[in-house]
Amino acid sequence: AQKITQTQPGMFVQEKEAVTLDCTYDTSDPSYGLFWYKQPSSGEMIFLIYQGSYDQQNATEGRYSLNFQKARKSANLVISASQLGDSAMYFCAMREGGDSSYKLIFGSGTRLLVRP
Amino acid sequence: DTGVSQDPRHKITKRGQNVTFRCDPISEHNRLYWYRQTLGQGPEFLTYFQNEAQLEKSRLLSDRFSAERPKGSFSTLEIQRTEQGDSAMYLCASSPIGEGRQPQHFGDGTRLSIL
Repeated sequence: AQKITQTQPGMFVQEKEAVTLDCTYDTSDPSYGLFWYKQPSSGEMIFLIYQGSYDQQNATEGRYSLNFQKARKSANLVISASQLGDSAMYFCAMREGGDSSYKLIFGSGTRLLVRP
Repeated sequence: DTGVSQDPRHKITKRGQNVTFRCDPISEHNRLYWYRQTLGQGPEFLTYFQNEAQLEKSRLLSDRFSAERPKGSFSTLEIQRTEQGDSAMYLCASSPIGEGRQPQHFGDGTRLSIL
């Protein structure tokens, strides 16, 4: 079974509007972390935001926020006030376990295109 | 913080040749990871080092693949007798021990093309 599922292969958004990128995950581990990364066409993976399984509040980082619904096992990324530079691939990833864990499990990504 | 550095950025080689990639992690990071990313997919874990010890290898890492981190600093990933299916982006990442909320920091990757 897929551990991380991103059901939107591609998304369009108008500049200055908000967009939500979906991510669902599957784990039986009570301790886990969820990450979102941005990958522009140049290839580098840029960390955006983190949500821990025990966090009481949804994570926010500037224009990025995470809509974390633990019971539904979803961790959707919300980008507010989209900019042209937001056009990129976006990956949701999970790390299972606590501080001793390490590897990230990635979804297949969503390609976001911001229209002017 | 100079970031994770990978070399080369691009490698084109003929099938059957050996290739070696280098990764220089962020200096204070003990953990180093290699991932492989094929077109249209997310990165897949290959292997992980804590200091100089290689603690896990994915079953994706066939016998033709070997990774080292001899002094706990830079790492190399070698692919012997390359095959068409090895064409991919090879990503290196690093993080400190007890990273908790801290993310893995990725390099720009090495794109391998097998002719």
